[in-house]
Amino acid sequence: GAGVSQTPSNKVTEKGKYVELRCDPISGHTALYWYRQSLGQGPEFLIYFQGTGAADDSGLPNDRFFAVRPEGSVSTLKIQRTERGDSAVYLCASSPGTAPGETQYFGPGTRLLVL
Amino acid sequence: AQKVTQAQTEISVVEKEDVTLDCVYETRDTTYYLFWYKQPPSGELVFLIRRNSFDEQNEISGRYSWNFQKSTSSFNFTITASQVVDSAVYFCALSGDQTGANNLFFGTGTRLTVIP
Repeated sequence: GAGVSQTPSNKVTEKGKYVELRCDPISGHTALYWYRQSLGQGPEFLIYFQGTGAADDSGLPNDRFFAVRPEGSVSTLKIQRTERGDSAVYLCASSPGTAPGETQYFGPGTRLLVL
Repeated sequence: AQKVTQAQTEISVVEKEDVTLDCVYETRDTTYYLFWYKQPPSGELVFLIRRNSFDEQNEISGRYSWNFQKSTSSFNFTITASQVVDSAVYFCALSGDQTGANNLFFGTGTRLTVIP
């Protein structure tokens, strides 16, 4: 079956602009996660959804970052007033259930470059 | 707090050599889960294995094997008879049942290069 998909694969924007990154999880997966990976680093957790609600958004760096999952499937990560430091690969993952330790399956990521 | 340390930043081996990637973790949770992911040049993280803290049995899958030792808080990954296709960045990750229960805490990764 289809894996996690993310669009766009690459996004170049200018400092101060607004961007939206989309994630389409594996069909039927209840949980959805966003991570950010900077060059040479491991992914860092941003936010976790159980169904439609954000169960844990403790990883969002500041209030410029926001994510939604209105119908419990597709999710959008929104970044306002982008800064050069936001440049990174944004990874989305999904898992079948919401129990601790569920295996997370990752998408290919969106590479964001803020000029 | 959860922490994963992958002390080896880069490793190079010649094809057909065996190689072990080290992973040391820290957690206060009594129940936790350990993972290995592979990130090839294409960038997508590929799941390799998941172990829970109550199962210390080592696992072998083809050329891959994993050694989980709670006494040393380590979860090392060995590739036997390495191949060029094994070249990638490998990440070890940890998830607990209390602290950020659904988050994966990743190490900084080990870049493996297999030279033909």
